[in-house]
Amino acid sequence: EAGVAQSPRYKIIEKRQSVAFWCNPISGHATLYWYQQILGQGPKLLIQFQNNGVVDDSQLPKDRFSAERLKGVDSTLKIQPAKLEDSAVYLCASSPFGLADKLTYEQYFGPGTRLTVT
Amino acid sequence: AQTVTQSQPEMSVQEAETVTLSCTYDTSESNYYLFWYKQPPSRQMILVIRQEAYKQQNATENRFSVNFQKAAKSFSLKISDSQLGDTAMYFCAFMKQNSGYALNFGKGTSLLVTP
Repeated sequence: EAGVAQSPRYKIIEKRQSVAFWCNPISGHATLYWYQQILGQGPKLLIQFQNNGVVDDSQLPKDRFSAERLKGVDSTLKIQPAKLEDSAVYLCASSPFGLADKLTYEQYFGPGTRLTVT
Repeated sequence: AQTVTQSQPEMSVQEAETVTLSCTYDTSESNYYLFWYKQPPSRQMILVIRQEAYKQQNATENRFSVNFQKAAKSFSLKISDSQLGDTAMYFCAFMKQNSGYALNFGKGTSLLVTP
């Protein structure tokens, strides 16, 4: 089966500009996660969707970050306006968890989008 | 909040040798899962091994095994017969049961396998 797809793979923008990232999870996966990985650190959860509803967005900087999951499948993460400290790799992951017949909680990661804010 | 600590920022091992990566965590939960993920340079994160906290038996996946000490809140990863392809960042991660099952990662250990 196809893995988690993300685009673009790399993005360079100036501070105060806006940017959007796209994620297509593994087909049939109910749960989708966005993580932020700053250089030298482990990934940190930004937002979690189950189907098209938000489960946890407690660590999402809502004054500048927004995310949506279209029809419970694809997801976009937007930053507006970007700050220098937003430079990071943005990882998308999906999991079958949340489906009636799927109890597995294993997460599958995409290749990430490396954002550089100058 | 749960914290995951990896105290070894960098490690090096020779090919065919054995190496152990350390991880400790802090939680008041009794039901949880622990993971080791591998992130090769410029490649995506993949799951190496997982352990359910309610299981006493240590998990094993081919050359990878864990030493899970629940009382000590320790979860180390042993890589036997190290291979050049094992060179990567290794992240220890905690998942609380019934929390949406998001992962809480440590800062990672960079492992270099040398010929």
